[in-house]
Amino acid sequence: KQEVTQIPAALSVPEGENLVLNCSFTDSAIYNLQWFRQDPGKGLTSLLLIQSSQREQTSGRLNASLDKSSGRSTLYIAASQPGDSATYLCAATYQGGKLIFGQGTELSVKP
Amino acid sequence: GAVVSQHPSRVICKSGTSVKIECRSLDFQATTMFWYRQFPKQSLMLMATSNEGSKATYEQGVEKDKFLINHASLTLSTLTVTSAHPEDSSFYICSAESGQANYNEQFFGPGTRLTVL
Repeated sequence: KQEVTQIPAALSVPEGENLVLNCSFTDSAIYNLQWFRQDPGKGLTSLLLIQSSQREQTSGRLNASLDKSSGRSTLYIAASQPGDSATYLCAATYQGGKLIFGQGTELSVKP
Repeated sequence: GAVVSQHPSRVICKSGTSVKIECRSLDFQATTMFWYRQFPKQSLMLMATSNEGSKATYEQGVEKDKFLINHASLTLSTLTVTSAHPEDSSFYICSAESGQANYNEQFFGPGTRLTVL
């Protein structure tokens, strides 16, 4: 069964801290791995997409890595800000374009 | 570019009525669109895959007669919740895939909040 798991489920940090969100997937036959941000009651904002042949992607203070063989991806957020507070979702893309989402990590950055 | 819209953004209806939600790719053609459902504090669950001009493929446990999907053009897919009941209340999100190779990035709509009274 294809499953995606995110740890931790919730995280609270003081402003300025660097942090890591973890994502693991049981089936390594992925086409790509995406990280999204979701604000309460809102849709998804795509942050980073890593193709299965890539190891990492960077955008500003965000860096996502992918280790397909071990079924893991991490999202690194540098110098966190209160505006980063949101739920972060990772999703693995499989055959047919099917996305399997993790349960999300709810991040709170305290000023 | 790569903008996906949904309409309506919020709908409240009485139990037993049907509700139609539209998903449009505004600046690209999408041969494949996907419909997801998200319950409060939970993640997104894929309901069905919609291909232009053909029948949708539903995930296990999703009633195709309950959730009617039509993908009549390369820029529009609709989800109709028939005879809606309170347990159908949820956040419905669509996505559209551009390109046909290697399962390109999916672009998500802003979601539709359905409340059934």
